[in-house]
Amino acid sequence: DVKVTQSSRYLVKRTGEKVFLECVQDMDHENMFWYRQDPGLGLRLIYFSYDVKMKEKGDIPEGYSVSREKKERFSLILESASTNQTSMYLCASLQDRGNGYTFGSGTRLTVV
Amino acid sequence: QKEVEQNSGPLSVPEGAIASLNCTYSDRGSQSFFWYRQYSGKSPELIMSIYSNGDKEDGRFTAQLNKASQYVSLLIRDSQPSDSATYLCAVWDFNKFYFGSGTKLNVKP
Repeated sequence: DVKVTQSSRYLVKRTGEKVFLECVQDMDHENMFWYRQDPGLGLRLIYFSYDVKMKEKGDIPEGYSVSREKKERFSLILESASTNQTSMYLCASLQDRGNGYTFGSGTRLTVV
Repeated sequence: QKEVEQNSGPLSVPEGAIASLNCTYSDRGSQSFFWYRQYSGKSPELIMSIYSNGDKEDGRFTAQLNKASQYVSLLIRDSQPSDSATYLCAVWDFNKFYFGSGTKLNVKP
C-alpha cells in the first residue's frame, strides 16, 4: 500500500511564526499536492509538484511556499503564519488519475 | 478555476434505503469524474470513478454521469450505518482533482 506520512497530526503556532509541514510518500510517485480543508469550502489546492524541484501554484498559494528537494518529500511552508491559516492541511500523492489521490492523515494547524 | 457544486446536507436516510448524492460541475469540457468518501476525522479515499455517460456499478454503489446536464450522482443501495460519511465529488483537470465541498450522509439504524 502507498503510504503518505505527514509529520504532525496537530500543531499550534503563534502568529508570525514560520511553519513547516512535512509530507513523505514511499511509492516513488512523481506527483504530490498540498490542500487545505475548511468547513463549507471543501478541499482547496495550495501547491503541487510533478517532479523534484518543480512546483506549481494551485488556487490559493498566497502566504505559502513549497519545497521538493527529494522525490519522496514535499514540504509546505507558511512564511509568516496568520490566524486565517488555521485549517486542516492534507498532503496527497498521485500515480495516475485512475487510482486517485492517496492522502496523508492530515495536519490540523491552529494559529493563535 | 473549475466549480464543483454539492449540497452540503446532511442527508439522512434509514438503514436499507437508497441514498442519492448529487454533484454539478461548471466546465463542459470535463471528462473524468470521481467520488471520494471521508469519514469524520479521516482523510478522503477514492470509491468510484466514471468517464462515460450512463451508469457504472460497483457493488452497492452506482455512479451516474450526464455530461449534457453537467451532472454526476452517486447512489448507495441498501445503505448501512457504516456508510455515514461525507462524500466528495471530484473532477479531473489534466493533472489534478477539483473537489466539491462534500455532502454529509447520515444513515440511521
